[in-house]
Amino acid sequence: GNSVTQMEGPVTLSEEAFLTINCTYTATGYPSLFWYVQYPGEGLQLLLKATKADDKGSNKGFEATYRKETTSFHLEKGSVQVSDSAVYFCALSDPNTGNQFYFGTGTSLTVIP
Amino acid sequence: NAGVTQTPKFRVLKTGQSMTLLCAQDMNHEYMYWYRQDPGMGLRLIHYSVGEGTTAKGEVPDGYNVSRLKKQNFLLGLESAAPSQTSVYFCASRLAGGSLSYNEQFFGPGTRLTVL
Repeated sequence: GNSVTQMEGPVTLSEEAFLTINCTYTATGYPSLFWYVQYPGEGLQLLLKATKADDKGSNKGFEATYRKETTSFHLEKGSVQVSDSAVYFCALSDPNTGNQFYFGTGTSLTVIP
Repeated sequence: NAGVTQTPKFRVLKTGQSMTLLCAQDMNHEYMYWYRQDPGMGLRLIHYSVGEGTTAKGEVPDGYNVSRLKKQNFLLGLESAAPSQTSVYFCASRLAGGSLSYNEQFFGPGTRLTVL
């Protein structure tokens, strides 16, 4: 079946630190992979996505590379800001079951000045 | 273009009461979803719809019903609320065209429901 595993949080970093949030997946087909961000009191927003192996998604300084050999899609940012404090969700959409998303449990990030 | 909107934003119910949550989208998306979000459990799919007049069960459908009478609206009903249904509920929509698996979901702002 399909599943997504994210690193446990919460994560606390100082401003300008390097961020990595690990995400690995299990899928029956060749999925598309997504990172969503949820700011306090809001719904989820798409942060970036990648639709095939070796694709790199990027947005707002965040990056993630679709690694088929390690079934991973780790989120990285070189220098975090206080405004990046949020919950981050990794998700996949499998074309074999294209009408459903599978989400990880979310990783809470707090960036302190 | 409002995207996905949800009504109400907050609600407190007593055990056994009923209510309906409304989701509306103005993007002409075919697919719509209802999720619940609980601490430490991420998002769990309750029900979804692949088009007007069609609905299907997700991971946690028990205690909920849905209807999709119009393409732009997706209603989630609780017939007899229980404290275990205290949660934040999110609606999402998705375009069906192209390669579906590439298309992202667009989320509403959520409804915070407390059942006493």
